[in-house]
Amino acid sequence: NAGVTQTPKFQVLKTGQSMTLQCAQDMNHEYMSWYRQDPGMGLRLIHYSVGAGITDQGEVPNGYNVSRSTTEDFPLRLLSAAPSQTSVYFCASSYSRRLAKNIQYFGAGTRLSVL
Amino acid sequence: DAKTTQPNSMESNEEEPVHLPCNHSTISGTDYIHWYRQLPSQGPEYVIHGLTSNVNNRMASLAIAEDRKSSTLILHRATLRDAAVYYCILRATARNSGNTPLVFGKGTRLSVIA
Repeated sequence: NAGVTQTPKFQVLKTGQSMTLQCAQDMNHEYMSWYRQDPGMGLRLIHYSVGAGITDQGEVPNGYNVSRSTTEDFPLRLLSAAPSQTSVYFCASSYSRRLAKNIQYFGAGTRLSVL
Repeated sequence: DAKTTQPNSMESNEEEPVHLPCNHSTISGTDYIHWYRQLPSQGPEYVIHGLTSNVNNRMASLAIAEDRKSSTLILHRATLRDAAVYYCILRATARNSGNTPLVFGKGTRLSVIA
């Protein structure tokens, strides 16, 4: 059971380049989300999805796009990378949208540097 | 979600118990108390959660105050591997859409001394 898989693990981009961070889960989880973590800070929510075809914005959505065409995958797209997007990105999933009880499982993270 | 307050850092000796406090004075009746931890260079991982009663699992114990305005995560015998940032998070049951993502604060950085 792989859990939550993020690719790539590391990425360096130039300002203005675009890229997609991949996230996949094999637990048939309904809920998926993306966080970013800047040095010495807690995690901040970027976007989330409560099921295939449904996405919503989190705390810091600007500069990022998401889509959820399947239950398993939740890619995060940077349309035009900026140095301010240098961060570690974590994907998470949870079984149910009723999250008060349910546990979230996190991926190992993608470390992104934008030069 | 209601806010939580945790100390920025704590230190413990190896093989001694550790009590990590969390204040949540604005907690509502249906908020669950969750604890996650983040080991160096890893994603957060679930530790424990509870609503009103104290909870135990293989990783830790959660002691919840009778008025639920505070809670304590207890590691019974700290090991070097327990050195991490520990996050106390309140989770509300959403009435309608169910969209209640985890909201992380800065947590408590636990150092374990050999």
